[in-house]
Amino acid sequence: NAGVMQNPRHLVRRRGQEARLRCSPMKGHSHVYWYRQLPEEGLKFMVYLQKENIIDESGMPKERFSAEFPKEGPSILRIQQVVRGDSAAYFCASSRKNAGQGVKNYGYTFGSGTRLTVV
Amino acid sequence: DQQVKQNSPSLSVQEGRISILNCDYTNSMFDYFLWYKKYPAEGPTFLISISSIKDKNEDGRFTVFLNKSAKHLSLHIVPSQPGDSAVYFCAARANTGNQFYFGTGTSLTVIP
Repeated sequence: NAGVMQNPRHLVRRRGQEARLRCSPMKGHSHVYWYRQLPEEGLKFMVYLQKENIIDESGMPKERFSAEFPKEGPSILRIQQVVRGDSAAYFCASSRKNAGQGVKNYGYTFGSGTRLTVV
Repeated sequence: DQQVKQNSPSLSVQEGRISILNCDYTNSMFDYFLWYKKYPAEGPTFLISISSIKDKNEDGRFTVFLNKSAKHLSLHIVPSQPGDSAVYFCAARANTGNQFYFGTGTSLTVIP
């Protein structure tokens, strides 16, 4: 049973290009979360999705960033017109239930991340 | 606005001794706390959790203590082993929220 799969592991983009990061959740998990880790910082929440729905995008930058989790296929985090400040490690996590629903003894399962470098 | 803080970026401990990692939070609505462990080039892995109705949770060599009045929690590792060398993240959640808030991490080095 594979864990949370993210690809690519490393992605290099020139300024102005688009970056697409993919996340396949664990089998049986229908909740997906994207986090970003900037250098010297902790993990910052970006967006929470269920199948075909964005539930909470309060951590997403207002421009250039979008996320989807289609009925079939992986969740995609898309960054348009990348800038150097977008360089970071992007982690996806999945769960069976929403982290905020009072589920006890619960934690996300994280993928290994995609390291985006903008040159 | 860092709601979860880990003020020690790094910690070195001798093998066999106790490692104590600290975490402070500001939001009194947080009711569930977790510790994650992260190796380089890997995603964080869940280590141990504690609910706000408890003040201690133990799992093998790992114990988490919660002091709600001080808004402080700590992770104790006894005895420390070289394989424990990693970055440890503290995370917290409010029952009404959709996300966990993470600290900036503490890099633990256990010296053989």
